[in-house]
Order: sequence, then C-alpha cells, then structure tokens
Amino acid sequence: DVKVTQSSRYLVKRTGEKVFLECVQDMDHENMFWYRQDPGLGLRLIYFSYDVKMKEKGDIPEGYSVSREKKERFSLILESASTNQTSMYLCASSLRGGYNSPLHFGNGTRLTVT
Amino acid sequence: KNEVEQSPQNLTAQEGEFITINCSYSVGISALHWLQQHPGGGIVSLFMLSSGKKKHGRLIATINIQEKHSSLHITASHPRDSAVYICAVRWAAGNKLTFGGGTRVLVKP
Repeated sequence: DVKVTQSSRYLVKRTGEKVFLECVQDMDHENMFWYRQDPGLGLRLIYFSYDVKMKEKGDIPEGYSVSREKKERFSLILESASTNQTSMYLCASSLRGGYNSPLHFGNGTRLTVT
Repeated sequence: KNEVEQSPQNLTAQEGEFITINCSYSVGISALHWLQQHPGGGIVSLFMLSSGKKKHGRLIATINIQEKHSSLHITASHPRDSAVYICAVRWAAGNKLTFGGGTRVLVKP
C-alpha cells in the first residue's frame, strides 16, 4: 500500500514564524500536492509538483512556497505565518498521468497560528 | 465558473439503511473521484471513474456523463461508514481537480 506521511498531526506556531510542513511518500510517485481544507470551502490546491525540482502554483499559492529536492519529499513552507493560514493541510501523491491517477493522501496537519 | 455541488450537506441514517450521496458538476470532465474522510482527518480514495459504475464491497459509484451527475451509494450502512464523503472532478479542459464541499454522513446504531 502507498503510504503518504506528514510529519506532524498538530502544530501551533506564532504569527511571523517560518513554518515547514513535510510530506514523504514511499511509492515513487511523480506527482505530489499540497491542499488546505477549511470549513465551507472544501479542499483547495496550494501547489503541486510533477517531478523533482518542478512545481506549479495551484489556486491559492499566496503566502506559501514549496520545495521538492527529492522525489519522495515535498515540503510546504510558510515564510511568515499569519492567522489566516490556520487550517488543515493535506498532502497527496499520485503516479504520473495527471489527475486521472488515484490520489493518496496523508493524515493531515492541523496548523494553528496564534 | 466550473463548479462541483454535493447534496445533501449532512445525512443521518439508521444502521442498515441505504444511503445515496449526489455530486453534480457544471461542464465536461475526464474523471471523477469519490473520497472518504474520517474524523481524524485522513482521506482515502474510494473510486475514480469516467463512465458507468464501479462497486467495492458495500459501496457503489455511478456516473452519468450526459446529465453531469454522479452518485455514491452505501448499502447496508454501518456506524463505521460515518465520515465525510467528497467528490472531486478533473475538468476535460485543464489539469486541475475541483472538490465538492463534502457530505457529512452519520450512521446511528
């Protein structure tokens, strides 16, 4: 079974801190995604990556950056955390072939920015 | 605007009942996903379909391309089916997934 592991389940950070959310998958998937999930808004795509060192902006990239130095690891970076970035963050991966491949999700990181 | 609408938003059923969740979308798609999210937060992919019908255990997913509509059915529902069910579509034009708002299902024993 594919395993997508997010480094933290719960995280509390202060406004202005730099925050790193880590995601690792063990099935050699080319595609990796970062989503945030907010009540009433569903899942929204922040960034995705289709190969090492490649990245594309999703629907809501402002205030975020990403890093993919190795195929198995995709990091989401909040350069200066703000309270409106309090959310559930979900990482996902899939095989190359775009969005018609099944998505495999991590368990999510619930981030609170105070 | 490309939209995905799910109904109902919330659903409560008694154990053993047949449950149907609906997903409608606005324009042509190349694939539709059904996902399940348990209270802990993790999301599991249940189905990915572009036509017809798929079945896995007590879960059945159907899609009608002409009517731009998909349904997820749960037969003989059980309390462990309590979760949020989410549909997501990949539009025929473009590469992005759009997610519905989810249907919160509670199955009472």
